[in-house]
Parts: sequence; C-alpha cells; structure tokens
Amino acid sequence: GNSVTQMEGPVTLSEEAFLTINCTYTATGYPSLFWYVQYPGEGLQLLLKATKADDKGSNKGFEATYRKETTSFHLEKGSVQVSDSAVYFCALTGGGNKLTFGTGTQLKVEL
Amino acid sequence: DVKVTQSSRYLVKRTGEKVFLECVQDMDHENMFWYRQDPGLGLRLIYFSYDVKMKEKGDIPEGYSVSREKKERFSLILESASTNQTSMYLCASSLGGVAFGNTIYFGEGSWLTVV
Repeated sequence: GNSVTQMEGPVTLSEEAFLTINCTYTATGYPSLFWYVQYPGEGLQLLLKATKADDKGSNKGFEATYRKETTSFHLEKGSVQVSDSAVYFCALTGGGNKLTFGTGTQLKVEL
Repeated sequence: DVKVTQSSRYLVKRTGEKVFLECVQDMDHENMFWYRQDPGLGLRLIYFSYDVKMKEKGDIPEGYSVSREKKERFSLILESASTNQTSMYLCASSLGGVAFGNTIYFGEGSWLTVV
C-alpha cells in the first residue's frame, strides 16, 4: 500500500535560517503529493501540491519538487520566520479520495 | 472561504458512553472525511462519504460509525467510547476527488478525552 515517511522532529531553527523537511513515499502508479501545515490549535491547511513528476509546488516562500526517481517531495524555505512555527505533514493520494499522511514534523523557529 | 465547522472543540466522556462528533461544511462539497490525529502516527482516515447516505471505511473504522443524512453534515459516532479512542478528531471536506486536484479543507479539530 501507499506510505509516506517524514523526518522526525522537532526541528529547531533560528529566524532566517534555511529549512528542509524530508519526505519520501512509496506508492503504485503516479500519486499526487501534498504538504499540509497545522498551526497551533488549528486544523490542517494545504500549503502546496504537485500532481506529476518534476512539478514544483510553491506557496508563501515554501517549495517542494516532485522527484519520481528518488520518490521524494522535500519541503524547503530559504528564510524561515517565527510565524512558520507549526507542524508540517507530507501526504499523497494514489487515486480517488484517500489521502495518506506522514507522521508530521514539528518546526520551531526562534529569534 | 470554505468553512468546515466542528461543533465541539473539547469533550470529556466516560468509558462506555455513546459519543457524537458533528461536522458541517458550507460549500456544498460532495466528499466529507473523518480523521483521527495521534502523536507519532499522523492522521489516519476513519471513514469518508462521497454523497448523502453513502460511506466507505477508511483505514481504522473499528469502533466507529458515521452518518450523513444531509449533504452539509457528517457525523462521527463512537458507539461505546473507550480510553484508546482518546484523540484529536479532524473533519474535512472536498468538492471532488483529491487525485484530480481538489483541495481538502479541514476543520479545527475536536479533542476527545475518554476517562
């Protein structure tokens, strides 16, 4: 079946540091890939997505590229802010309505 | 903006009680979902519904049932709550299939504690 593996957190960075959160997946066929973000006390929000190989999703300074050859979808941001502190979830869908999520990575950004 | 509203943010229930978690969306979405979120496990799908009165089991349906009598409302039912159902429950909705680029919108979650 489908699965998503994310790097464990928490990840602690200083403001303006470079962020990478690793995500790799196992899936049959050609899944669509997503990053969701959960701010404290809130539900999940879609951050970005990519629906085919080599697509780059981007939003709010975050980027991720769908790499089929390495089955990866790593999240990056060039300069993080304190307001980026949240839990980030990588997810995929292999078809239909079902999303498979990773375990989440907590990011803490300090001044 | 799409609004997915979960009626209760925090609940404390006793073992063996019947528990109802209610969810309403205001965008006429076809699909609705219930997930539970646990530390170290991420989100796991309990049930989803793709139309009124239609439902499908997700990955962890045991101990749960659902009801969708109206398009905008999707209820999660714990027939006899147990302590291992203490968790954060997230409701979500989407206009169409996620695989076709439709976004899933989440509610703020319901924290359930079973004592």
